[in-house]
Amino acid sequence: NAGVTQTPKFQVLKTGQSMTLQCAQDMNHNSMYWYRQDPGMGLRLIYYSASEGTTDKGEVPNGYNVSRLNKREFSLRLESAAPSQTSVYFCASSESRQGFRAGGYTFGSGTRLTVV
Amino acid sequence: GQQVMQIPQYQHVQEGEDFTTYCNSSTTLSNIQWYKQRPGGHPVFLIQLVKSGEVKKQKRLTFQFGEAKKNSSLHITATQTTDVGTYFCAGRGAGNNRKLIWGLGTSLAVNP
Repeated sequence: NAGVTQTPKFQVLKTGQSMTLQCAQDMNHNSMYWYRQDPGMGLRLIYYSASEGTTDKGEVPNGYNVSRLNKREFSLRLESAAPSQTSVYFCASSESRQGFRAGGYTFGSGTRLTVV
Repeated sequence: GQQVMQIPQYQHVQEGEDFTTYCNSSTTLSNIQWYKQRPGGHPVFLIQLVKSGEVKKQKRLTFQFGEAKKNSSLHITATQTTDVGTYFCAGRGAGNNRKLIWGLGTSLAVNP
């Protein structure tokens, strides 16, 4: 079982460039999430998808867009990268977003993005 | 808004010493989760606590959920170098507020 697979693992972008971070899970989970992690800031939710066909904003959505392509895949797009978006990005999935059936999140290994 | 505070922010111990991190919420939680993140790694789910006063053990790790479901703790007995990392709690709100709110984590360093 691969779990949650993220690509790429590392990326350097110039300010203004665009890119898409890919995420796929093979656990048949309904919900998927994109987080960013910065020193001293913990994990901050960018966007999430409670189920296939739905997406919602998290705490820090500005500058990002997402697509839930199907149940397995959830991509994060930076249309015009800024230095403030330098961070480590994690994709995660869970069986369900709400309720007691919502167990723990399974995280991908992360994308380390630097915007210069 | 709802906050989850974790203390301490950092802890440095000698191998073999015990370690405890605490998680306190400003509001009642429906459940709380704990994660471990190794340096350079990704968060890994450890456990979820649901019931008031619940205590669960995983080998040398003991997790507790407070009676009021507003606080939780993770205790590691006789730390080992493999315990190094950052431990996060994440609390899920009760009632209509079902968001998962993350603490900022406690970073544990272990001297061999």
